[in-house]
Amino acid sequence: SYVLTQPPSVSVAPGKTATITCGGSNIESKSVHWYQQRPGQAPVVVISNDNDRPSGIPERFSGSNSGNTATLTISRVEAGDEADYFCHVWDTDSGHQSVFGTGTKVTVL
Amino acid sequence: EVQLVESGGGLARPGRSLRLSCAASGFIFDDYALHWVRQGPGKGLEWVSGINWKSDKIVYADSVRGRFTISRDNAKNSLYLQMSNLKPEDTALYYCARSDGFIVEAGFFDHWGRGALVTVSS
Repeated sequence: SYVLTQPPSVSVAPGKTATITCGGSNIESKSVHWYQQRPGQAPVVVISNDNDRPSGIPERFSGSNSGNTATLTISRVEAGDEADYFCHVWDTDSGHQSVFGTGTKVTVL
Repeated sequence: EVQLVESGGGLARPGRSLRLSCAASGFIFDDYALHWVRQGPGKGLEWVSGINWKSDKIVYADSVRGRFTISRDNAKNSLYLQMSNLKPEDTALYYCARSDGFIVEAGFFDHWGRGALVTVSS
């Protein structure tokens, strides 16, 4: 089955840039989506289809996807960005499964 | 406003069954594929199952295939998950999630419910 690997945690100072990676075999061939989950809340999509921002998501959130790594970048980090972040793809090559990454806890120092 | 409200969670003994429901409102229900996603205590997200708009394409995670059955009733704007032969590792918060389109094996989850807690324990 397809595996997506994320760093367990990322720490960043307010106003700086947070970079969260999502590693998967030839992930550039797939559309990658990113979700933010604040404590006690349901996930919210922040980036869809590699680098599209849904309505209402700040421009500070951006995405990229190349080779074996997709990346979520949060610029000018704010305290409210502290949350868990998950990447997500569809693995249609084997078994038609939807797969989430292992998740990254972003801590704002 | 899109709303997804799960119900039917609770405590179940190993080997027993439980049925979750998800009541939808605020959108044209049969225009969208729907999914169940779960999250174990202190764990990450795990996709469980998805169903397309007309119920002729259904997909399951390997971990639940053969034990769980997803269905929908477009006349009632409702999604269901029948869970059988429950195991302790099925303990999780189960979210109902809407796909961004009618195709089940693609896209992202653009709206989520608040979840229904299922605990499997003897």
